Amino acid sequence: GQNIDQPTEMTATEGAIVQINCTYQTSGFNGLFWYQQHAGEAPTFLSYNVLDGLEEKGRFSSFLSRSKGYSYLLLKELQMKDSASYLCAVMDSNYQLIWGAGTKLIIKP
Amino acid sequence: GAVVSQHPSRVICKSGTSVKIECRSLDFQATTMFWYRQFPKQSLMLMATSNEGSKATYEQGVEKDKFLINHASLTLSTLTVTSAHPEDSSFYICSAPLGGGETQYFGPGTRLLVL
Repeated sequence: GQNIDQPTEMTATEGAIVQINCTYQTSGFNGLFWYQQHAGEAPTFLSYNVLDGLEEKGRFSSFLSRSKGYSYLLLKELQMKDSASYLCAVMDSNYQLIWGAGTKLIIKP
Repeated sequence: GAVVSQHPSRVICKSGTSVKIECRSLDFQATTMFWYRQFPKQSLMLMATSNEGSKATYEQGVEKDKFLINHASLTLSTLTVTSAHPEDSSFYICSAPLGGGETQYFGPGTRLLVL
């Protein structure tokens, strides 16, 4: 079956760095997405990786290793507003998104 | 940038009534749109894939007669929850892929409460 795993919850300190991991097993691979979702709101797109390596976008970076079925989202200089759930999703061979359950990130001052 | 809108953002209805939710792609055409459902503290669950000009594809366990999907044009898909019951109360989100599907743009979601 298809499966996406990511930690349920993580805690980090304001100003620090946090890495959220995601491992996947899917039928085919057409890219991996990271989304941020604040409580009560729809997810917002953060990043898309289809090739191996690191993609950097400001304070956020996303890494992909297709051979290992692994990705991580790296958040630097954490701000209180970064408290949210972070969803990992893989697009399978049918171009449908397989979603992880999300990682709730708690930022403490 | 590309935007997907949903209407209404919130709806409260009585049990047994039908509710229609619209999903529009504002800056681009989408031959495919996706409908999700999200329960509190859970991940998004794909309900169905809406296809312009053809029937929607439903995920296993989703009742197609209860959740009617119509992809009327390249910029509009509608989800109708027929004979809604309290257990249908949820957050419904649509998304549309841009271009070759590399980026999914999500609508803001519609919160449905069935009394």
